[in-house]
Amino acid sequence: EAGVTQFPSHSVIEKGQTVTLRCDPISGHDNLYWYRRVMGKEIKFLLHFVKESKQDESGMPNNRFLAERTGGTYSTLKVQPAELEDSGVYFCASSQRYTDYSTDTQYFGPGTRLTVL
Amino acid sequence: GENVEQHPSTLSVQEGDSAVIKCTYSDSASNYFPWYKQELGKGSQLIIDIRSNVGEKKDQRIAVTLNKTAKHFSLHITETQPEDSAVYFCAARPTSGGSYIPTFGRGTSLIVHP
Repeated sequence: EAGVTQFPSHSVIEKGQTVTLRCDPISGHDNLYWYRRVMGKEIKFLLHFVKESKQDESGMPNNRFLAERTGGTYSTLKVQPAELEDSGVYFCASSQRYTDYSTDTQYFGPGTRLTVL
Repeated sequence: GENVEQHPSTLSVQEGDSAVIKCTYSDSASNYFPWYKQELGKGSQLIIDIRSNVGEKKDQRIAVTLNKTAKHFSLHITETQPEDSAVYFCAARPTSGGSYIPTFGRGTSLIVHP
């Protein structure tokens, strides 16, 4: 079974540019999560999709970040315009259960390392 | 909200030694504690987890202990091997009350020297 995949693995952009990150969850997983780890700090939650709907986006830092999951399959996270503080590793995770979170296991992708210069 | 502290940030051991990584949490509602291993270029892999109704759980060379009273839990790796080298993250999460988002520690970079 293929795991969670993310693209690109690394992105280097100039401040003010736009970057789009993509996450492909494990097939059949309804839940998709985005997280971010800024250098040396903890992994922070950004948002959660259940299928194509945003269940919780309380962790999104500001309106420069836009996440979509059209069709309930893969998801994109767009940063526009990018700022220096957006640099970090963006992780995506997926899980299967949407009715019983007590036994929900999240599977993480390898992350996208974003560097904003 | 929940706050998870993880120590040490870096741990260097010789092959064959044991490694211990400790985490503390603040929210008594947390009752699920997963540990993830992240190797370079790979997804974070769930290696072991523990729920609050259990004090210890083992899986071959890996064990996790939980002290709910003191709000701390630890990862123990025995007979370490070079392939154990990775960044390890602990997390704490409630499993009721509608909240299911884990709070992570800052990670521990484990280096096992051959």
